[in-house]
Amino acid sequence: KNEVEQSPQNLTAQEGEFITINCSYSVGISALHWLQQHPGGGIVSLFMLSSGKKKHGRLIATINIQEKHSSLHITASHPRDSAVYICAVVIKAAGNKLTFGGGTRVLVKP
Amino acid sequence: EAGVVQSPRYKIIEKKQPVAFWCNPISGHNTLYWYRQNLGQGPELLIRYENEEAVDDSQLPKDRFSAERLKGVDSTLKIQPAELGDSAVYLCASSLVGPGAGADTQYFGPGTRLTVL
Repeated sequence: KNEVEQSPQNLTAQEGEFITINCSYSVGISALHWLQQHPGGGIVSLFMLSSGKKKHGRLIATINIQEKHSSLHITASHPRDSAVYICAVVIKAAGNKLTFGGGTRVLVKP
Repeated sequence: EAGVVQSPRYKIIEKKQPVAFWCNPISGHNTLYWYRQNLGQGPELLIRYENEEAVDDSQLPKDRFSAERLKGVDSTLKIQPAELGDSAVYLCASSLVGPGAGADTQYFGPGTRLTVL
């Protein structure tokens, strides 16, 4: 079983819809990252969380440390949001190594 | 400020040939990471440097892969000889401090897409 699980693996939405991507992990962490990767492009860090909630523009990230769960929400989705969204956790027991989920491929149709 | 720079962006080689990737991290970042990302999967750490010292290379296939960061700034990752299964995107990232000092944001380069024929 992977230490970091994301769901769904693929998501298709119509422009304007609210999108939620989930990340669950099974180990103790010191922080969690949400990353965005466009096709053929590099990875951009969206958020780094250790508790609570963060908001940037139309993106909202939440984390529940007790439940070992985080969500990334995209409000009023737009075709330019189409990308792979990756959850990554910093694992305390592994010397704070960054461990990645498999990613969620998001396609927003106009 | 320039981000993490990688070259080449794309490389196509035949199996058994050598290949090298170069990475220049963000200025002042002491920690440099090399990751491999297979299609449809998240990145996997190959090696982490703190300055010029490789502090985590447990996932680096040392029979064919090597890396160096001689002056603690830019870094080269080499594969010799390449195999078909090495086809992947090789990502370089840097951070101001290492993860042992507390979680720190890693900044990723655009990656090098390697195709081995």
